[in-house]
Amino acid sequence: GENVEQHPSTLSVQEGDSAVIKCTYSDSASNYFPWYKQELGKRPQLIIDIRSNVGEKKDQRIAVTLNKTAKHFSLHITETQPEDSAVYFCAATGYSGAGSYQLTFGKGTKLSVIP
Amino acid sequence: GAGVSQSPSNKVTEKGKDVELRCDPISGHTALYWYRQRLGQGLEFLIYFQGNSAPDKSGLPSDRFSAERTGESVSTLTIQRTQQEDSAVYLCASSPTGTSGTEQYFGPGTRLTVT
Repeated sequence: GENVEQHPSTLSVQEGDSAVIKCTYSDSASNYFPWYKQELGKRPQLIIDIRSNVGEKKDQRIAVTLNKTAKHFSLHITETQPEDSAVYFCAATGYSGAGSYQLTFGKGTKLSVIP
Repeated sequence: GAGVSQSPSNKVTEKGKDVELRCDPISGHTALYWYRQRLGQGLEFLIYFQGNSAPDKSGLPSDRFSAERTGESVSTLTIQRTQQEDSAVYLCASSPTGTSGTEQYFGPGTRLTVT
């Protein structure tokens, strides 16, 4: 099955600086890579996603890049703000048989933005 | 519209007891997923329902875990003879379809504590 590794596990940045979180995946057939943000005590929420036919996607201060050859993808947050502080999870979707597509998640990165 | 809801929000039970967790997906969503999130960890896939197809149970950790779903509505996750290692937040998610690349919408979770 799919295996997703995420680094770093914790990240502290000064407000206004950029933050980068990296993930690798093992299944070359995986074709969908979402990023979820989970604030303390709340549910995960999708912030951006990318499909395997695209190398980069940007939405305001957030961007995601995908390198299919190397099987890694990254989340970039620019001009960080205190409200960006949360745990971020990457995930990869692959076909697991019998019509089932599973999301395999990384272990998360706790981002702290210091005012 | 209403999002994914789960009940109870918190459940404390004694080791050896059975528990039942409930998930109400977004109306019209055919796919429903259960995940387990241990403290400080990522999301661990448990089971997936897609319409009337046979569920993908490949993530269930033991035969003490089972889940049911009636059509495209409510799902219940049952844990029998609970153990302390079952303590975690159980998250339910639904999506409009079960195909790859479809956003999963998460519920608020049920925090299970086994004493």
